[in-house]
Amino acid sequence: QKEVEQNSGPLSVPEGAIASLNCTYSDRGSQSFFWYRQYSGKSPELIMSIYSNGDKEDGRFTAQLNKASQYVSLLIRDSQPSDSATYLCASTSGSARQLTFGSGTQLTVLP
Amino acid sequence: DGGITQSPKYLFRKEGQNVTLSCEQNLNHDAMYWYRQDPGQGLRLIYYSQIVNDFQKGDIAEGYSVSREKKESFPLTVTSAQKNPTAFYLCASSIIPNTYNEQFFGPGTRLTVL
Repeated sequence: QKEVEQNSGPLSVPEGAIASLNCTYSDRGSQSFFWYRQYSGKSPELIMSIYSNGDKEDGRFTAQLNKASQYVSLLIRDSQPSDSATYLCASTSGSARQLTFGSGTQLTVLP
Repeated sequence: DGGITQSPKYLFRKEGQNVTLSCEQNLNHDAMYWYRQDPGQGLRLIYYSQIVNDFQKGDIAEGYSVSREKKESFPLTVTSAQKNPTAFYLCASSIIPNTYNEQFFGPGTRLTVL
């Protein structure tokens, strides 16, 4: 069974701090990794994709991938209360490149 | 506007009743997916389709059925055989061929069994 594991949290950080979200995956054949943000009662929104080892930055978001350690992380710099949401990590697996999702980490940014 | 639409937003089902959830996309995406999300859980794949008139079972297909008669439409039927259907149902789509399979989601349908 291919798995994606995340700390469920909740994770609380003060406004302006860096929030660090972590994810591990079991399928060494996974090629693509995604971070989705899900506000309460809403559908997931894709915020970051990463395919190669190293860092990928987009605005206040940085995704980090380490395939040797099977580890993906998301850093949110200068956290804002509007970043308060559940963050879902996902990876692709199989010939159909299906997504496997973690259970999500709930982030609260305190004003 | 391009996007994915799902209807209805809320749906109530009586015991023993089949219900159909609609999913339409105008993104010209080849692949479409149905997921189920339970409170505090990640998403679990029900069915997916990469081409018209073809679809594959996901991890939790029992009690569900789908059709893909048109590229833009992928309706999901929750049958009476699904014993615990109360959940948030999400439809997604992606471009194929695409090594990376970025999937984009519709707004979801919240199904409640009365």
